[in-house]
Amino acid sequence: QKEVEQNSGPLSVPEGAIASLNCTYSDRGSQSFFWYRQYSGKSPELIMFIYSNGDKEDGRFTAQLNKASQYVSLLIRDSQPSDSATYLCAVRNTGGFKTIFGAGTRLFVKA
Amino acid sequence: GAGVSQSPSNKVTEKGKDVELRCDPISGHTALYWYRQSLGQGLEFLIYFQGNSAPDKSGLPSDRFSAERTGGSVSTLTIQRTQQEDSAVYLCASSSPGLERNYRYNEQFFGPGTRLTVL
Repeated sequence: QKEVEQNSGPLSVPEGAIASLNCTYSDRGSQSFFWYRQYSGKSPELIMFIYSNGDKEDGRFTAQLNKASQYVSLLIRDSQPSDSATYLCAVRNTGGFKTIFGAGTRLFVKA
Repeated sequence: GAGVSQSPSNKVTEKGKDVELRCDPISGHTALYWYRQSLGQGLEFLIYFQGNSAPDKSGLPSDRFSAERTGGSVSTLTIQRTQQEDSAVYLCASSSPGLERNYRYNEQFFGPGTRLTVL
């Protein structure tokens, strides 16, 4: 079992729709969870961070964390073509700063 | 301000040669990470440095890979006797855990990467 798992996609949604990206992790003691966006040929950039159970909203982005289910998700409301990218889920493990990334989900937003 | 820089941006080498990849983190960042990203894949953790602590080398795929960080700043990733499967983009990131909120937040700032091609 991979430490951080994501559906590779591609996930295709029409412009204006809600895109839902999911991630599961295996280390039950993980403390911090991150969503990075990576445009093709570019480096990843942080878009969301969450560490408490529940929802965290930032503009059109909502991160959801359920530690009991070892599940973290990212919702993108009013999706735009500029949101088309690969979204990487990252989990910081217990006791240190080592961060494990998932393989990423490719998102396509159709105009 | 200056971000994370990496050099070279591209490196083509022959199988069996050694290569050195360099990373200059953001000034003042105490943590430095190396990752490898193969085509269409996610980031594979290689090694992590934090201040003067012993590095976490648990992600290095073989003893052909090594890394050092001199003076708590610049880092060099060395791959000896390169193989074709080493071809990938090598990404470096830095962060400043000292600025963490509740010691949980740790935004990593990535460099542009070095694209390594082993022929």
